[in-house]
Amino acid sequence: EAQVTQNPRYLITVTGKKLTVTCSQNMNHEYMSWYRQDPGLGLRQIYYSMNVEVTDKGDVPEGYKVSRKEKRNFPLILESPSPNQTSLYFCASSSGGGIISGYTFGSGTRLTVV
Amino acid sequence: GENVEQHPSTLSVQEGDSAVIKCTYSDSASNYFPWYKQELGKRPQLIIDIRSNVGEKKDQRIAVTLNKTAKHFSLHITETQPEDSAVYFCAASKGNTGKLIFGQGTTLQVKP
Repeated sequence: EAQVTQNPRYLITVTGKKLTVTCSQNMNHEYMSWYRQDPGLGLRQIYYSMNVEVTDKGDVPEGYKVSRKEKRNFPLILESPSPNQTSLYFCASSSGGGIISGYTFGSGTRLTVV
Repeated sequence: GENVEQHPSTLSVQEGDSAVIKCTYSDSASNYFPWYKQELGKRPQLIIDIRSNVGEKKDQRIAVTLNKTAKHFSLHITETQPEDSAVYFCAASKGNTGKLIFGQGTTLQVKP
């Protein structure tokens, strides 16, 4: 089944403790992206990647890192999480071919930083 | 920076009525405009999209229109049903960068 898989689904952590949220897609998509969703603010793009080793900042990249060493994986790293990073995070992927098509979203990761 | 504004933030209609959600974008180079539906507790799902080389696209009860001159696009849902109740997001993108900017969302309630 074609899908975007992110783990974990739920995570509670403490301020300053490094964490990684994994994301994997099995559709051979070129584009991958991370979004955070907060009430009243919609979906805000954190980072995106056009292909392996090509990443770029979205609108809210502060406090986050990403890497794209393989086409299928796009982990989101929080080196020193803070309470304002408590949010619902979505990974997404899209086929390319020269122009982006709609992103397919994963199931989401609800992160709480205390 | 690039911005997408979406209105209204909430919309309540009677079953069978039509619903219209409007978005404006700031970057005139934007050329791809998808719409997503997010049901409570679920992931956003693409329901329809339009590219800048067309003015309108329809898929059964939903349609999207694009006015490039005014930089706005709209989602139209006809004959609404209770299962249409959800949060709807518009978005805009340009070129092949992977950057996709979302509006703030519209909560649609369809009352039986």
